[in-house]
Amino acid sequence: GDSVTQMEGPVTLSEEACLTINCTYTATGYPSLFWYVQYPGEGLQLLLKATKADDKGSNKGFEATYRKETTSFHLEKGSVQVSDSAVYFCALRRSDDKIIFGKGTRLHILP
Amino acid sequence: SAVISQKPSRDICQRGTSLTIQCQVDSQVTMMFWYRQQPGQSLTLIATANQGSEATYESGFVIDKFPISRPNLTFSTLTVSNMSPEDSSIYLCSVEREEGNEQFFGPGTRLTVL
Repeated sequence: GDSVTQMEGPVTLSEEACLTINCTYTATGYPSLFWYVQYPGEGLQLLLKATKADDKGSNKGFEATYRKETTSFHLEKGSVQVSDSAVYFCALRRSDDKIIFGKGTRLHILP
Repeated sequence: SAVISQKPSRDICQRGTSLTIQCQVDSQVTMMFWYRQQPGQSLTLIATANQGSEATYESGFVIDKFPISRPNLTFSTLTVSNMSPEDSSIYLCSVEREEGNEQFFGPGTRLTVL
């Protein structure tokens, strides 16, 4: 069945460091792909999405490109801030419109 | 966007009891879902809450264990029945205004079963 695999955390970086959180997926067809973020004490929020191959989703300085060849959707940011500390979830939308999530990656940014 | 509230935000319950979690949305939505997030695990879809009819359950989840109600387009409840420690999880409600569009999530209910 469809699944999402993302790198395990926690990931700890210093402020202004570069970030990459890896995400790969297994699915039939070409699902829409998402990154969700969960800040401490809050619900999940959609961070960015891509609906077809080679699409790049971006928001708040974060980017992810839909790579069909490698079935990947890695999350990147060039310079992280303390306020980016959160749990990040990679996800895909199945052919029946249900969303499948990865396990989440906790990110800690040190000042 | 959609503003979603859940009650309770957390609870500690005894084995064998049941807990009902409420989800309230600030405006009418087409789709409502219930997810479970077990410690260290990803979110798993429990069921789709259908207005005016029985919920649609995912594989591994049954109505007797997780009865769901959805009396209108802004409200749903999930009951965790006959609880055991394995039911300790965060339970999240989510909504879509239109099917296939962006999902918005509630803050979750953290349940601990002793």
